[in-house]
Amino acid sequence: QKEVEQDPGPLSVPEGAIVSLNCTYSNSAFQYFMWYRQYSRKGPELLMYTYSSGNKEDGRFTAQVDKSSKYISLFIRDSQPSDSATYLCAIRTMDSNYQLIWGAGTKLIIKP
Amino acid sequence: DVKVTQSSRYLVKRTGEKVFLECVQDMDHENMFWYRQDPGLGLRLIYFSYDVKMKEKGDIPEGYSVSREKKERFSLILESASTNQTSMYLCASSLGLAGGEETQYFGPGTRLLVL
Repeated sequence: QKEVEQDPGPLSVPEGAIVSLNCTYSNSAFQYFMWYRQYSRKGPELLMYTYSSGNKEDGRFTAQVDKSSKYISLFIRDSQPSDSATYLCAIRTMDSNYQLIWGAGTKLIIKP
Repeated sequence: DVKVTQSSRYLVKRTGEKVFLECVQDMDHENMFWYRQDPGLGLRLIYFSYDVKMKEKGDIPEGYSVSREKKERFSLILESASTNQTSMYLCASSLGLAGGEETQYFGPGTRLLVL
């Protein structure tokens, strides 16, 4: 079993829809949770960073962590065609100092 | 803005060739990383460097070596390229390793094809 599981998609939704992207993880010691966005033929870029359980909002994006279920989510409201990209979750423990554990990424397509 | 550049966007090499991939960052970051990205597998860490001449093995170091002679430059070397090293290679850098400084900034990637 992988330490971090992420549905590769593709996930195709109409413009304006609410998008939910998810990752599950197996190690309860994970403390830091990140979402990166990767456009085609580009490197990933950090989108959201959360610590421990709860919600964090940034514009149209909300990151949610449920440590009891070992489940993290990224919600995108009012989705736009420019949101079409691959979304990767990345997780680490408090003492891993540099090692991130990455999900495989979910490809998201927003149809105009 | 942090800028991480990689020497090539696309490379085609023959089996057995020695391959050099170069990465340069312009923000005086301490830490630099080399990953490979394959469909369905996500990003896998090959090597990490936390200072000039210092390195740590990642999850998949076999068949690779690295060099960091200057703070801004981190090179990945494939000593004898094999077809199973065909992949997308991503370089990243970070200011620190904790306290909000661990955000990794990525280059655009090098797509390597080994024939």
